[in-house]
Amino acid sequence: QVQLQESGPGLVKPSETLSLTCAVSGYSISSGYYWGWIRQPPGKGLEWIGSIYHSGSTYYNPSLKSRVTISVDTSKNQFSLKLSSVTAADTAVYYCARIVGPGPIDYWGQGTLVTVSS
Amino acid sequence: EIVLTQSPGTLSLSPGERATLSCRASQSVSSSYLAWYQQKPGQAPRLLIYGASSRATGIPDRFSGSGSGTDFTLTISRLEPEDFAVYYCQQYGSSPPHTFGQGTKLEIK
Repeated sequence: QVQLQESGPGLVKPSETLSLTCAVSGYSISSGYYWGWIRQPPGKGLEWIGSIYHSGSTYYNPSLKSRVTISVDTSKNQFSLKLSSVTAADTAVYYCARIVGPGPIDYWGQGTLVTVSS
Repeated sequence: EIVLTQSPGTLSLSPGERATLSCRASQSVSSSYLAWYQQKPGQAPRLLIYGASSRATGIPDRFSGSGSGTDFTLTISRLEPEDFAVYYCQQYGSSPPHTFGQGTKLEIK
């Protein structure tokens, strides 16, 4: 059974960098699939942030591209998200996910709430 | 970027009734690369339908998807109590971002 688990600070100060890691179990990242991040502001809808292939190819949402970096560490079977220069608008539940394709998302982490506040 | 508009925003129905949810795209979604997800409070979304009409693993056959081009529909043939949730469509037929609709809340009448 594939499982994903997000980890990282729950509180980030404005203008700083948000950093999250997603640990994958039950499947080897280096075997394939895309791996990505999606976020959901409290009480709102879903926003696709970006994805990475196991080889390292990345795809980012143009609206966030200048601030986002997604990387993969196959030796640790995990991938990471960095979002720089955060503001209150970046407060959201951040989900990591396995993406078929690139296409539909078949496995999701439980999500982690990141609040941007001083 | 393809914009997805879901309707209605809220749908109030009773268990046993049929639910029809709509997702309209601002431009044609290539190869019917459209998915539907169900999200319950405090939980991550769950994949229901991909490729516009293929059910994901373990999804009951009361859930069905249809459509092509710019108009897609999720139908729940006979509502069970556990089906009341928020439903999102997502397109993945174009270059990223693979956008989501704003969601339809299915509530008990």
